[in-house]
Amino acid sequence: DAKTTQPNSMESNEEEPVHLPCNHSTISGTDYIHWYRQLPSQGPEYVIHGLTSNVNNRMASLAIAEDRKSSTLILHRATLRDAAVYYCILPGSNYQLIWGAGTKLIIKP
Amino acid sequence: DAGVIQSPRHEVTEMGQEVTLRCKPISGHNSLFWYRQTMMRGLELLIYFNNNVPIDDSGMPEDRFSAKMPNASFSTLKIQPSEPRDSAVYFCASSTLRNTIYFGEGSWLTVV
Repeated sequence: DAKTTQPNSMESNEEEPVHLPCNHSTISGTDYIHWYRQLPSQGPEYVIHGLTSNVNNRMASLAIAEDRKSSTLILHRATLRDAAVYYCILPGSNYQLIWGAGTKLIIKP
Repeated sequence: DAGVIQSPRHEVTEMGQEVTLRCKPISGHNSLFWYRQTMMRGLELLIYFNNNVPIDDSGMPEDRFSAKMPNASFSTLKIQPSEPRDSAVYFCASSTLRNTIYFGEGSWLTVV
């Protein structure tokens, strides 16, 4: 199964953009890249996913490198409510998502 | 729309007792997952059902753990007998095949 690598934690100021990196050098050609986040005391929630081209939704943008070996989740204007653990995930066998430790995002007011 | 519903939200039980966690997936979803989350091990997949059939239970820790899905709208995760090391948050999640996974709010289990 392909594996992802993320920084353990990142800090950002409120109302500034945040770029969360993820490396997935062993990704296969058909693997979608998924991002979820987990707010304190809640279950993980879906953020965004993509295959090759950049993706946007109301929550975030996903920039995927041309070789697909890395991607970046972009929060355009972080708020205190965006403080969470962000997971970059690839599917494993049987389409089970393989969860790593994620990046703890700290937002400073 | 109702999301994934789990019960109980919190349970404190004594070592050796049986624990049953319940899950109602989102209507129309044919995949159901049970996860366990601890500080030490993070989020671990315990078992995955598709169309009520267990597809992969390789994450189930040992024989003390069992999971059933008698119909498309209900699943249980049972621990018998429970041990302190089973203390964790247990999440149920559901999806349609290959699509977004939706998680419940979790069942917070403490075994003393």
